[in-house]
Amino acid sequence: KNEVEQSPQNLTAQEGEFITINCSYSVGISALHWLQQHPGGGIVSLFMLSSGKKKHGRLIATINIQEKHSSLHITASHPRDSAVYICAAYRGSTLGRLYFGRGTQLTVWP
Amino acid sequence: DVKVTQSSRYLVKRTGEKVFLECVQDMDHENMFWYRQDPGLGLRLIYFSYDVKMKEKGDIPEGYSVSREKKERFSLILESASTNQTSMYLCASSLWEGYNEQFFGPGTRLTVL
Repeated sequence: KNEVEQSPQNLTAQEGEFITINCSYSVGISALHWLQQHPGGGIVSLFMLSSGKKKHGRLIATINIQEKHSSLHITASHPRDSAVYICAAYRGSTLGRLYFGRGTQLTVWP
Repeated sequence: DVKVTQSSRYLVKRTGEKVFLECVQDMDHENMFWYRQDPGLGLRLIYFSYDVKMKEKGDIPEGYSVSREKKERFSLILESASTNQTSMYLCASSLWEGYNEQFFGPGTRLTVL
């Protein structure tokens, strides 16, 4: 069983919809990362969370440490948000490695 | 502007060939990582390195080796390429301290015929 689970695996939305992607993990962590991968391969970091909530533009990430759960929300979705979204857990004492979810493929239609 | 570069975007090799994938970072990061990414399986860690000449196996090291002779460069070697090694290979780097934000290269799509 993967230590980091994401849902849904695939998500289709109409432009303007509110989107939520979920990430749960089964181990203790120091931080949780949300990453974005556009077609063509490049992966960029969106957020790093150790508690609470962070907001950047239309993207909001939350984490509940007690429930071992994080969510990524996209408000007023746009076709340019179409990408793979990946959560990754940092456990703090593992020589820097991250533990990745399998990703959520988001497609936003105009 | 921070940068992780990989030697090729696309590579086609034949079964049995020795394949070298190179990754260079210009951020003076201690940690470097090699992943492969396959549909439905996500990112899987092959090897990582936390210092020059130091390496650790990831989750799928079989059929691969690595070399880190200089801090900025981390090479992935496929000793004898096989068709099941056809995949997207991604390199990343991060600082030793902090919460380990990783910076990724653009990826190499390797096809083994």
